[in-house]
Amino acid sequence: DTGVSQDPRHKITKRGQNVTFRCDPISEHNRLYWYRQTLGQGPEFLTYFQNEAQLEKSRLLSDRFSAERPKGSFSTLEIQRTEQGDSAMYLCATDRSSSGNTIYFGEGSWLTVV
Amino acid sequence: GESVGLHLPTLSVQEGDNSIINCAYSNSASDYFIWYKQESGKGPQFIIDIRSNMDKRQGQRVTVLLNKTVKHLSLQIAATQPGDSAVYFCAENKTPGRRALTFGSGTRLQVQP
Repeated sequence: DTGVSQDPRHKITKRGQNVTFRCDPISEHNRLYWYRQTLGQGPEFLTYFQNEAQLEKSRLLSDRFSAERPKGSFSTLEIQRTEQGDSAMYLCATDRSSSGNTIYFGEGSWLTVV
Repeated sequence: GESVGLHLPTLSVQEGDNSIINCAYSNSASDYFIWYKQESGKGPQFIIDIRSNMDKRQGQRVTVLLNKTVKHLSLQIAATQPGDSAVYFCAENKTPGRRALTFGSGTRLQVQP
């Protein structure tokens, strides 16, 4: 499978715990995005990396959220001290700066905070 | 799998008919628009895109129309098939030069056999 890969696909955690999601981009895609999607809504932009540099951050990305892309390949999104309102699907998407703007999404990581 | 569209506007069509899904966008400065298809429990799948310097773009069985005067975007699907049943989102790049996309609230397409 050469698509965007996300892990884990599902995570149930207790309120207050930390969780981390991983995204592996399509090979040679140097741009990587994180979005969040709640039931009945469209995805909402969280943050964007070009290579290892985090270039855009949404106001939705509170100080409990941190995203990294240390080597410009895979990325992690960590949520600290999870709250029930964090329950959502976290989507990773990637594209290549030399290929226009077609952004490809992964299958998402579902988070349920209980 | 989980549903991503519990209370969405729904378009119901018969198999073989043409479908038209509409989207109103908010920012006249938006320069790039994309349509995505999302099936239950899956991530959004790219369908077709269009830049603001175009009015129409065609793909395989799909056509996107852009009316900048009234800030309206539509997706036309020809000969709709049961496999087209999904939630469809339009997305816009509200700030040219930045990468963040802003998604609409989605429309559920139901194809009746």
